[in-house]
Amino acid sequence: KQEVTQIPAALSVPEGENLVLNCSFTDSAIYNLQWFRQDPGKGLTSLLLIQSSQREQTSGRLNASLDKSSGRSTLYIAASQPGDSATYLCAVKPDSWGKLQFGAGTQVVVTP
Amino acid sequence: NAGVTQTPKFQVLKTGQSMTLQCAQDMNHEYMSWYRQDPGMGLRLIHYSVGAGITDQGEVPNGYNVSRSTTEDFPLRLLSAAPSQTSVYFCASTYGGRRETQYFGPGTRLLVL
Repeated sequence: KQEVTQIPAALSVPEGENLVLNCSFTDSAIYNLQWFRQDPGKGLTSLLLIQSSQREQTSGRLNASLDKSSGRSTLYIAASQPGDSATYLCAVKPDSWGKLQFGAGTQVVVTP
Repeated sequence: NAGVTQTPKFQVLKTGQSMTLQCAQDMNHEYMSWYRQDPGMGLRLIHYSVGAGITDQGEVPNGYNVSRSTTEDFPLRLLSAAPSQTSVYFCASTYGGRRETQYFGPGTRLLVL
């Protein structure tokens, strides 16, 4: 059974520092991996999607890497801002049918 | 495009009551799903549908029913609410496929007393 783990559960950094968020999964047979952002009391917003054949994906200050063989993905957020404060979740898609297996998330606080 | 919409936003139920959580999408997505989110546990899949008339169970289906009569709507029914069903419920939709992201609704907060 696939298990997705995110460590740490919470993280606090000063503004301007780079953020590094980790996601690990136990079964490397994945279809793709997504990173989501969730603001308090809100739904999930997709940040980046990495296909199983890709090593990384970039969007603005965000960069996500994927190492399928070791079961790891890392989300980098450069030059963090207070507006980056949120919970970040990773999710793996095991097949083409769209079901996602989520990690518990990392709660990030960026202090001014 | 309204995207994925959910109603109600918040609901309080007594143990044993029934209710239906509504979910609709206007993106013509074939795939829709329901998740519940509990503190410290991430999101867990309850039921999903790969098209009108086709549904299947996810990881935590007990106590919930679904049906999919149209592409747009995917309601989730609680037959006899229990305190263990207190949670935040999210509906999601996607075209499916390797490149497609999932779109999530704003969620329904349910409290069962």
